[in-house]
Amino acid sequence: EIVLTQSPATLSLSPGERATLSCRASQSVGSYLAWYQQKPGQAPRLLIYDASNRATGIPARFSGSGSGTDFTLTISSLEPEDFAVYYCQQRSNWPPLFTFGPGTKVDFK
Amino acid sequence: QVHLVESGGGVVQPGGSLTLSCAASGFSFSRYAMHWVRQAPGKGLEWVAFIQYDGSNKCYADSVKGRFTISRDNSKNTLSLQMNSLRPEDTAVYYCAKDYGVIAFDYWGQGTLVTVSS
Repeated sequence: EIVLTQSPATLSLSPGERATLSCRASQSVGSYLAWYQQKPGQAPRLLIYDASNRATGIPARFSGSGSGTDFTLTISSLEPEDFAVYYCQQRSNWPPLFTFGPGTKVDFK
Repeated sequence: QVHLVESGGGVVQPGGSLTLSCAASGFSFSRYAMHWVRQAPGKGLEWVAFIQYDGSNKCYADSVKGRFTISRDNSKNTLSLQMNSLRPEDTAVYYCAKDYGVIAFDYWGQGTLVTVSS
């Protein structure tokens, strides 16, 4: 089973600052890596799929990079609505089994 | 506009059963795989089950294999999750989610809470 590790657990920043979130896989997942944003009381929202492709309607300040075992989600300039928990997620080859990382909380400094 | 609405959650005793439903609209349901994902109170996300667009393939997380069954009725645009032998650790909000390329989940319902407690 592939395990995803996210760091840091909490990231304390101010609006306008750059956020860099890391996701590491215990073995290569190729580019099968997605990122989600979740706000309290809401369902998750897909931000990035295939490691670097923005989902429909996602602002350009969100970008993803990486392949293999190391991935990064970058928010270039934090907006107030970006303070939330972010999860990475991978899919194994076949059968398709999916796992999530433990999450990174981006909160106000 | 994609819309997913879960129902069927509630309180059930350990060892009991419950069936969740997800009503889908706004897209061609029969053309897409679907998933169930859960989130225990205050915890992270856990994928539960996958079903291919035509129901021909199903996959489960180890934590629910043999106890949960995912199914779909493409004539009614409905996804279901039959949950048997429920345990306290199955307590969570259960989300249905539309598949994106069998790599991600691009639309989610609002979730339904299942509480397993005596």
